[in-house]
Amino acid sequence: GENVEQHPSTLSVQEGDSAVIKCTYSDSASNYFPWYKQELGKRPQLIIDIRSNVGEKKDQRIAVTLNKTAKHFSLHITETQPEDSAVYFCAASMSRGAQKLVFGQGTRLTINP
Amino acid sequence: GAVVSQHPSWVICKSGTSVKIECRSLDFQATTMFWYRQFPKQSLMLMATSNEGSKATYEQGVEKDKFLINHASLTLSTLTVTSAHPEDSSFYICSARGGSSSSYNEQFFGPGTRLTVL
Repeated sequence: GENVEQHPSTLSVQEGDSAVIKCTYSDSASNYFPWYKQELGKRPQLIIDIRSNVGEKKDQRIAVTLNKTAKHFSLHITETQPEDSAVYFCAASMSRGAQKLVFGQGTRLTINP
Repeated sequence: GAVVSQHPSWVICKSGTSVKIECRSLDFQATTMFWYRQFPKQSLMLMATSNEGSKATYEQGVEKDKFLINHASLTLSTLTVTSAHPEDSSFYICSARGGSSSSYNEQFFGPGTRLTVL
């Protein structure tokens, strides 16, 4: 089955700097890659997603890149703010079957003022 | 749109009792619902996938007789933790995916239920 690896597990950056979180996946059939932000005790919130027919997607300060050949995708947050502090999860899903999401291990991002 | 609710938001129970958690899609019909478990400082682990009107499909290592899932309608799925033990204490989150009219693949998450078994 699909396996998603996420790095780093923790990331600390200065406010205003950029943060990058990377994920790799194992199944080349995966074609949907969402990123979630989760605050303590809350539900995961979809912040951006990308499908396999595009290589990059941007939404204001957040961008995601996808390299299908290498089977990795990354989340980029620019001009970081204290409210960006949270745990971020990547995930991968296939279009066939139940379309289950397989999650990465998570990255705890801390923005230092 | 695409709101998913869960009830209760938290529950404390004694060891050996059963607990039922409800997951509802409030403004769309959920053809598929998923149940996840999340231990502290860990990722979401899929427990089972349920389709309306059919039996749930459990992930490897998840006991189907212990975690009973019912998806009797397009807006409601329930997870019953039977004979709960302290090791079942966790954050249980459901998600729902709609039919062809919804965003392809996207799942909408409930707010989660914090279960503590004493």
